[in-house]
Amino acid sequence: AQKVTQAQTEISVVEKEDVTLDCVYETRDTTYYLFWYKQPPSGELVFLIRRNSFDEQNEISGRYSWNFQKSTSSFNFTITASQVVDSAVYFCALSFGNYGGATNKLIFGTGTLLAVQP
Amino acid sequence: DAGVTQSPTHLIKTRGQHVTLRCSPISGHKSVSWYQQVLGQGPQFIFQYYEKEERGRGNFPDRFSARQFPNYSSELNVNALLLGDSALYLCASSLGQDGAFFGQGTRLTVV
Repeated sequence: AQKVTQAQTEISVVEKEDVTLDCVYETRDTTYYLFWYKQPPSGELVFLIRRNSFDEQNEISGRYSWNFQKSTSSFNFTITASQVVDSAVYFCALSFGNYGGATNKLIFGTGTLLAVQP
Repeated sequence: DAGVTQSPTHLIKTRGQHVTLRCSPISGHKSVSWYQQVLGQGPQFIFQYYEKEERGRGNFPDRFSARQFPNYSSELNVNALLLGDSALYLCASSLGQDGAFFGQGTRLTVV
């Protein structure tokens, strides 16, 4: 079965705190892709990062960092020094298969609502 | 460059009616996918089209249909609307495995 679990429904932090959003996935495919999206109140899903199953290297982009661990089937997302503008719902998603023409269907988790208080 | 554009942004329909939602992908993207997002949940996959052919269909009834045109734009049609069809409908386009890029969505309310 293909599944993404985001156990944290809501997280509230104070500005400048670091926060980690957890994501655990299930798949039997050897080739798969993991994503994080941000959904602000406007509704549009904003692409943050893609990782393929063969690349376990962690990535840092400004205040954002991602930790991919195949051994625990996790792809966690950390925001350093959080800001009010980071307030949104964050979704982790899984895509599988090796079709080169386009990203296959995404399986989303239920999302984590992050509220950053000033 | 324009991103994924969807129209209309908001729509109110009555039960039993039919609705058509439209999506224009990012220029050069040949794949379009549709998702339904009910309030408080993650998006659920409805359809994927690539080069005008259906490549995947989610667990949705036959009331839902879609198509992709030669210019890669797409329509999602829903017949015999139910109250439970009220949701945010998201369109995404993609090119290769770099990811799916979403439009702002169409918020459909069925009354």
